[in-house]
Amino acid sequence: EPEVTQTPSHQVTQMGQEVILRCVPISNHLYFYWYRQILGQKVEFLVSFYNNEISEKSEIFDDQFSVERPDGSNFTLKIRSTKLEDSAMYFCASSQSTTQETQYFGPGTRLLVL
Amino acid sequence: AQTVTQSQPEMSVQEAETVTLSCTYDTSENNYYLFWYKQPPSRQMILVIRQEAYKQQNATENRFSVNFQKAAKSFSLKISDSQLGDTAMYFCAFMKRYGGSQGNLIFGKGTKLSVKP
Repeated sequence: EPEVTQTPSHQVTQMGQEVILRCVPISNHLYFYWYRQILGQKVEFLVSFYNNEISEKSEIFDDQFSVERPDGSNFTLKIRSTKLEDSAMYFCASSQSTTQETQYFGPGTRLLVL
Repeated sequence: AQTVTQSQPEMSVQEAETVTLSCTYDTSENNYYLFWYKQPPSRQMILVIRQEAYKQQNATENRFSVNFQKAAKSFSLKISDSQLGDTAMYFCAFMKRYGGSQGNLIFGKGTKLSVKP
């Protein structure tokens, strides 16, 4: 069964460093998402992406964040200058459409900012 | 804005018994989806079941079923014949079908379910 994959599974970085989280969505899906879950809290929407551009973003997704689909398979989330409060689990998800299809999640990347 | 509330932070159930997890939501939308996702200790988010708001019939998936009460804005999950592998955090989620923010899942805070042998 096709699945969303994410790399790395864990990343530790120093405050102020740039990180890139990678995702490979399910191949025939057209809509891509990033969500964040700070430890012990609920999952929060960050950004949705379709047709090579951002469809919607939350207030969390400030100028430190960017997303990109550099090729036909990868979907990346970049945090330009990490802060301690960026420590969280980051989930990528994909769906065939927004109006009818379920979002399927990847296993997540656990980011720790020191 | 939509909100999702899960009022039970933790629950436990004996193996083979039935348990019901509660979820309420607030929205002015008429067309939307509701989901239950499971997050085991591995922390991967796994879809359990989905309900379309325009369908009156409650969704079922094997041992998992929902009680969807649209007027009451209630969406509970029933797990029958609980198994040890059902131990996980369970999140209720809402998604608009049309308009701005469609496709963005809004999650509740979760219910931690422990299945005891």
